[in-house]
Amino acid sequence: EDQVTQSPEALRLQEGESSSLNCSYTVSGLRGLFWYRQDPGKGPEFLFTLYSAGEEKEKERLKATLTKKESFLHITAPKPEDSATYLCAGTQGGSEKLVFGKGTKLTVNP
Amino acid sequence: GAGVSQTPSNKVTEKGKYVELRCDPISGHTALYWYRQSLGQGPEFLIYFQGTGAADDSGLPNDRFFAVRPEGSVSTLKIQRTERGDSAVYLCASSLGIATTQYFGPGTRLTVL
Repeated sequence: EDQVTQSPEALRLQEGESSSLNCSYTVSGLRGLFWYRQDPGKGPEFLFTLYSAGEEKEKERLKATLTKKESFLHITAPKPEDSATYLCAGTQGGSEKLVFGKGTKLTVNP
Repeated sequence: GAGVSQTPSNKVTEKGKYVELRCDPISGHTALYWYRQSLGQGPEFLIYFQGTGAADDSGLPNDRFFAVRPEGSVSTLKIQRTERGDSAVYLCASSLGIATTQYFGPGTRLTVL
């Protein structure tokens, strides 16, 4: 069965304290690995798509990387406004459905 | 431009009642998806439309759930004989076509009493 597992479940950082979130997947024939951000009471907001091992994408303080087994979302010098739940999802070749992990709830304290 | 919109934002109903949830996709997006998100969980796939037809309905939990997209734009998710376990946030997403980024709406929070 296709699975996406995220760790840690929750992470508290001080403003400026860099860290990484992990997403490991067992999606056979992975076509794409997606990162979304979700604020309380809102829908997921698209951040990145990664397609092949070794690929990296950056946006402001966030950088996403992909290996054959997992993806990392690196957060450099986070600010309180980066506080949110970060969701990872995979799609399989021939399927359009996103298989999501449970998310990592990030809290950045000022 | 306008994003995916969903109505209502909140719906409270009683066990056994029928509910309809509406999704307006981004203009020009041919693919539309429904997901369900329970508290503390990631979204779970329900159904996917390409145009007017349901291309994949493998995530619908049982025959009480049904979705339509008659003109290839707006979609309605219909739930018959609601149960307390149906309480969740129902998310809609749309994309330009297959294998493209899915953009989500704000969701409808359904509470079944």
